Amino acid sequence: QKEVEQNSGPLSVPEGAIASLNCTYSDRGSQSFFWYRQYSGKSPELIMFIYSNGDKEDGRFTAQLNKASQYVSLLIRDSQPSDSATYLCAVGSPWTGGSYIPTFGRGTSLIVHP
Amino acid sequence: DTAVSQTPKYLVTQMGNDKSIKCEQNLGHDTMYWYKQDSKKFLKIMFSYNNKELIINETVPNRFSPKSPDKAHLNLHINSLELGDSAVYFCASSQDPGGLSNQPQHFGDGTRLSIL
Repeated sequence: QKEVEQNSGPLSVPEGAIASLNCTYSDRGSQSFFWYRQYSGKSPELIMFIYSNGDKEDGRFTAQLNKASQYVSLLIRDSQPSDSATYLCAVGSPWTGGSYIPTFGRGTSLIVHP
Repeated sequence: DTAVSQTPKYLVTQMGNDKSIKCEQNLGHDTMYWYKQDSKKFLKIMFSYNNKELIINETVPNRFSPKSPDKAHLNLHINSLELGDSAVYFCASSQDPGGLSNQPQHFGDGTRLSIL
């Protein structure tokens, strides 16, 4: 069974610091990796995605992939209180018919305190 | 304009009833999904449809039956509701069904289902 593991947290960081979120996955065939942010009572919002060929930076967010160790990380620079949310890691694994099936981790709660 | 809209937003009903949740997306996406998020916030895919055709059907009881009348709509009908069905059900859509980006990029606001 494909698994995606995340530390549930909460991860608490001071405002302005770098928040580092990690996720490990079990399926070596996974090729797409996604980070979603979910505020309490709201729907998940896609913030970053990377494929198996490299890292990606977008503003204050950087997603990094370590295929050998099967983990993906999300770095949030200059963390703001508005970044306080649950961050869901999702991994796309090949499925039948050329499609990919997404498996989500349980999420890491991030708290950025002023 | 809401990209992915679900109705109803809240659904409270008794065990044994049959209910439906509707979902519509106006993004022109080809692929739509249903997810279930339990009380511990675990988000699990239930179904995926590409252009009205079922492509992913995870281990979901037969009481759950999706229907896609066209690629902009994906409804979920649930028969004989059970206590364990209480959860938030999210509809989602994405543009690319079979490439590397086969992931929901736009979620609806969710339907909070409570079984009494």
